[in-house]
Order: sequence, then structure tokens, then C-alpha cells
Amino acid sequence: DAKTTQPPSMDCAEGRAANLPCNHSTISGNEYVYWYRQIHSQGPQYIIHGLKNNETNEMASLIITEDRKSSTLILPHATLRDTAVYYCIVRITNTGNQFYFGTGTSLTVIP
Amino acid sequence: SQTIHQWPATLVQPVGSPLSLECTVEGTSNPNLYWYRQAAGRGLQLLFYSVGIGQISSEVPQNLSASRPQDRQFILSSKKLLLSDSGFYLCAWSVRQDTEAFFGQGTRLTVV
Repeated sequence: DAKTTQPPSMDCAEGRAANLPCNHSTISGNEYVYWYRQIHSQGPQYIIHGLKNNETNEMASLIITEDRKSSTLILPHATLRDTAVYYCIVRITNTGNQFYFGTGTSLTVIP
Repeated sequence: SQTIHQWPATLVQPVGSPLSLECTVEGTSNPNLYWYRQAAGRGLQLLFYSVGIGQISSEVPQNLSASRPQDRQFILSSKKLLLSDSGFYLCAWSVRQDTEAFFGQGTRLTVV
């Protein structure tokens, strides 16, 4: 079962930063937070992940609160191609290391 | 580099017919393998995962089964399809808990 909650939808103006929040209040100390996005009828695309520290790559930044109960994905300069469903996932740390997807946030970038 | 292959891309099957979807991974060894299903307008539901050859864990009771006959091959099957089996089926693989999972492009199954 998903261990995260996200707003169902958000809008963002093209060129502005998109800040997508995620709550994961029951996260365990060794569980990672992952972000994926899915464009219609395609497989999910990996964006970024982190454990405790903030992370940045060429796609986005991930800000994790000190208590690790929530995080924010930041797309610094949203483009129309960033319109997608964004999933915040807490990865279970056991033998299978399963990913459980929630319902995600549908981000619409507006021209 | 690692790649994941999933086929077919689309499939239309009658109710009661069998199903076999195949997924293969190249460029890695002993991956964790996963099957997900996405119903129309819904999120991804984990169906099965496997940590090794012949080792299958089922997440939800259903009309489907999975098998892993080789290290990098994962098969999703059904003996008799139901209308409710329609959906977008995705295969994925990963290595360790601190690395990402990579997804195939999916199979869109329509049971008629």
C-alpha cells in the first residue's frame, strides 16, 4: 500500500518553478523517497530520489524535511513537456524493495 | 547499458482466452523484477515481484500468475481472461534499494 499522500492536481505557469508536495509521515529511517512521472500511455520515468539530504540533478531538485515526514519536488523552469502525473513513492526496504505508487499529482503546465 | 523489453505493445483478447506477456532485461544480472497494472485513469498497482529465478511474490489475489524461468525473464500469465483484466501492464526492474527502478513501455490489454 502507498505510504504517501499528494494533492490530486496542480497548475503551473510555463517558465515558473513547479513545487510538488508529498507527505510521508510514516516513513522509516532507512526508506528512500522516490519521484517518478508518467506521461499518458507511457511507462513511468524516474526523476530523482533521496534518503535524508536534499538532492539535485539535471531534471529536478528534491527537498526533504529534517524529520523526513514530507518532501517537495521542484521543477525549476517548467515547460509544457513537464505536463504529467507525478508520483511520490516511499520504497519499502525488504528483500523485494518494492515500489508502491499512490494516486499522484496531475501537473498541468499552462502556456 | 541496461535495457528492458516488453511485448506486445497492444493486445486485444476475448474473455476466457489465455494470456502471456513477456518481459526481458538486458545488461544486468540478478535484478528484482516487478509487474504492475494500471486501470484506466488510475494509479499503478503492484501485482508481483521477484527477487530471483523461480521466486515470485504476489501482492493481490487475482486471476493472474507470474513466473521467472530465467534470471532476466519475467512472464505474466492467465489461463482465462476476465473483462476486469483489461489495463496497462508494466514490467520494471531494479538492483538495490538505493537505486531507481526502470520501467518498460507497457502492454495495453483490452479484454473483449
